Amino acid sequence: NAGVTQTPKFQVLKTGQSMTLQCAQDMNHNSMYWYRQDPGMGLRLIYYSASEGTTDKGEVPNGYNVSRLNKREFSLRLESAAPSQTSVYFCASSPTRMNTEAFFGQGTRLTVV
Amino acid sequence: GIQVEQSPPDLILQEGANSTLRCNFSDSVNNLQWFHQNPWGQLINLFYIPSGTKQNGRLSATTVATERYSLLYISSSQTTDSGVYFCAVERDYGGSQGNLIFGKGTKLSVKP
Repeated sequence: NAGVTQTPKFQVLKTGQSMTLQCAQDMNHNSMYWYRQDPGMGLRLIYYSASEGTTDKGEVPNGYNVSRLNKREFSLRLESAAPSQTSVYFCASSPTRMNTEAFFGQGTRLTVV
Repeated sequence: GIQVEQSPPDLILQEGANSTLRCNFSDSVNNLQWFHQNPWGQLINLFYIPSGTKQNGRLSATTVATERYSLLYISSSQTTDSGVYFCAVERDYGGSQGNLIFGKGTKLSVKP
């Protein structure tokens, strides 16, 4: 099993460009998450999807949109990238939304110039 | 929201030494996980430990939920243990929430 797979692994964008980060999990998990990690900090939740068909804002949702395409896939979109969105983005999944272990993808390093 | 504090922020060890990392949290939790972020940035699950004690090789963890802290023990450290160790908790809202909140991590450097 691959677990949680993110694409791309690296990306450089110009300010104002848009892009979508893809995430897929093969563990039949119901819940999926997008986090960002900035230097010297832990991870902060951007958006989550408790189950297929639902999405909700996390701690830092501004400037992002998400789509839970199906049970396996959860994408994160930057409509108009800004330098403040330079970060490492992690996708995660867990069997359910509470009281269960979460597993993370390998991360996407995004630079906005 | 819930506060998660990890200590120490930085730790330098000689290979073979033992260490204890601490995670304090400010509210009741129903989920606690320890992760190791290796130098390549990958987050590796170490323990899912909302309470009690678990061991996995040279690593062990203890969570005392009633006193709101968790400890991660690393024995006979190796250079491959280097990286950042994160504690993440999920607050116990009684069923209405369920998101992991991360501490800022402990950066461990093991010298040969």
